[in-house]
Amino acid sequence: DAGVIQSPRHEVTEMGQEVTLRCKPISGHDYLFWYRQTMMRGLELLIYFNNNVPIDDSGMPEDRFSAKMPNASFSTLKIQPSEPRDSAVYFCASSLRSGGLPYEQYFGPGTRLTVT
Amino acid sequence: SQQGEEDPQALSIQEGENATMNCSYKTSINNLQWYRQNSGRGLVHLILIRSNEREKHSGRLRVTLDTSKKSSSLLITASRAADTASYFCATDKPGNQFYFGTGTSLTVIP
Repeated sequence: DAGVIQSPRHEVTEMGQEVTLRCKPISGHDYLFWYRQTMMRGLELLIYFNNNVPIDDSGMPEDRFSAKMPNASFSTLKIQPSEPRDSAVYFCASSLRSGGLPYEQYFGPGTRLTVT
Repeated sequence: SQQGEEDPQALSIQEGENATMNCSYKTSINNLQWYRQNSGRGLVHLILIRSNEREKHSGRLRVTLDTSKKSSSLLITASRAADTASYFCATDKPGNQFYFGTGTSLTVIP
């Protein structure tokens, strides 16, 4: 398996522009997570899905952020409009949890977003 | 707020020495996991310990869990330069809430 795939790897945009980050989870995994990592705040869970349904979006910073998972093999995280404080590395991770057993998360390489 | 806090924030040791990192958390958990992050990369899962376990080994890694103190430690024995990375603990709380700590930056000097 190719692992979790994220695109783009780097994104530089101007304040006010719309940004869309993409993620392809590992085939067969039923959980998908979006994280944001900065020096100041560390690794923050933004939202996670189970079987394509958003379960907890309490970490989404504000209405400018939205995430979708239209099918089991694709998810997007959109920021509209973007602001300089959104600059961070955004990670997508997927996992398989079966029968309530503990699980490990597989992380993608991340998208480094810079908003100028 | 974050659930886990690692200690120390940074650690520098000589190759061959052991490295110990600690993680404290605030509320009850289902399990605790340790991850490694190399510079510029995503996190990689190292080891998972369930709330009813006290100690677990995997190769050069040894993890302990003390639920009464709400703390865990990760020991890397006979460290290598390739172990240089940031290490994070992650807690899985009831209700499927998942939190990462602030991380310990480990530098192993050849």
